[in-house]
Amino acid sequence: SQQGEEDPQALSIQEGENATMNCSYKTSINNLQWYRQNSGRGLVHLILIRSNEREKHSGRLRVTLDTSKKSSSLLITASRAADTASYFCATDGGAQKLVFGQGTRLTINP
Amino acid sequence: KAGVTQTPRYLIKTRGQQVTLSCSPISGHRSVSWYQQTPGQGLQFLFEYFSETQRNKGNFPGRFSGRQFSNSRSEMNVSTLELGDSALYLCASSLSLDTQYFGPGTRLTVL
Repeated sequence: SQQGEEDPQALSIQEGENATMNCSYKTSINNLQWYRQNSGRGLVHLILIRSNEREKHSGRLRVTLDTSKKSSSLLITASRAADTASYFCATDGGAQKLVFGQGTRLTINP
Repeated sequence: KAGVTQTPRYLIKTRGQQVTLSCSPISGHRSVSWYQQTPGQGLQFLFEYFSETQRNKGNFPGRFSGRQFSNSRSEMNVSTLELGDSALYLCASSLSLDTQYFGPGTRLTVL
């Protein structure tokens, strides 16, 4: 079963707009990561945020973490067509494994 | 550095057969993890190897097995294939759990 739940399941926006995806999880974590997957290919690591951090930036990406609410959000600013992909949050499930959410499918329309 | 490679990329098998998938990690990475991805169950952890030892195993039947060699390359084997084993199998290597680097995956279709 999945620990993380992403919201929304699908998101469609116009190029240039910002995209926000949310992730909720159930148990305490050491860190939370976001990955991107293009159409049935491998996952690409985007960003990691540790449990003692509240916000982190990487280029056009901004991730927030609220451990009291067990939730995280990923913001992609100034979206591009190349951002079209599925985005997954993953928490450290202990014992050397990642536990993934179901993912948000993001579509950027030109 | 070269990324994680997986072979074969696509595979078609019939029920009852067995299959072996291969994964070559990034040079220097000693941890290799395997995940199964299906539309219904999403991404699920299969097992993780470090220095030829399985350190953790997910909730999969014994038909799923794996191993790791001294050069850190890993294989996973699925015996007595079932239709529900059709999935994208992803391998990831890492230096630590912080960041896992994924290969392109092997798409297995069971007919």
